Amino acid sequence: LAKTTQPISMDSYEGQEVNITCSHNNIATNDYITWYQQFPSQGPRFIIQGYKTKVTNEVASLFIPADRKSSTLSLPRVSLSDTAVYYCLVGDPPGGYNKLIFGAGTRLAVHP
Amino acid sequence: IAGITQAPTSQILAAGRRMTLRCTQDMRHNAMYWYRQDLGLGLRLIHYSNTAGTTGKGEVPDGYSVSRANTDDFPLTLASAVPSQTSVYFCASSSKPESADTQYFGPGTRLTVL
Repeated sequence: LAKTTQPISMDSYEGQEVNITCSHNNIATNDYITWYQQFPSQGPRFIIQGYKTKVTNEVASLFIPADRKSSTLSLPRVSLSDTAVYYCLVGDPPGGYNKLIFGAGTRLAVHP
Repeated sequence: IAGITQAPTSQILAAGRRMTLRCTQDMRHNAMYWYRQDLGLGLRLIHYSNTAGTTGKGEVPDGYSVSRANTDDFPLTLASAVPSQTSVYFCASSSKPESADTQYFGPGTRLTVL
């Protein structure tokens, strides 16, 4: 199983850029890296996904180095509403079902 | 578009009672999942279904059963509830049962077993 390691918590202030790094040393060749966001009392929500290099959408950017053993989620100019738990996930090896492993995630607190 | 609905929103249940958590999706997704989330922890997969008529065990299946009679519905049953099953339960679905496919989550059911 491809497990991930990410910081338990982070603090930031409004307007700052936040970078959350996740390590996944056992990532398989066909695995994608996916980040989800979870607000209190809600289910997780997809943020961004990538396989290699850099991916950007309207919410965040995802940086993946060539060895793919880590990835960094970048949130530009965070606001109070970005306070949430962020999960980094990688898929199971090929041939398996969609069994995403949710770790404890990174609890981001954005302060005024 | 409703997406995924779950019922009930919350429930307090006596130990030993039977309980079925309901999950319905209107996106015609092939795959559906049940997770539990304990306080301060991540989600753990209980059961999954890659397509109607098939189910499989996830990481923590003991004490739970599921069925997938059609595409839209994926009920989770606790045959005889125990206090350790107190948790928030999330249902999710994805178009395809592949690890790269985005999962869409319901609002959750908060279950307390006394």
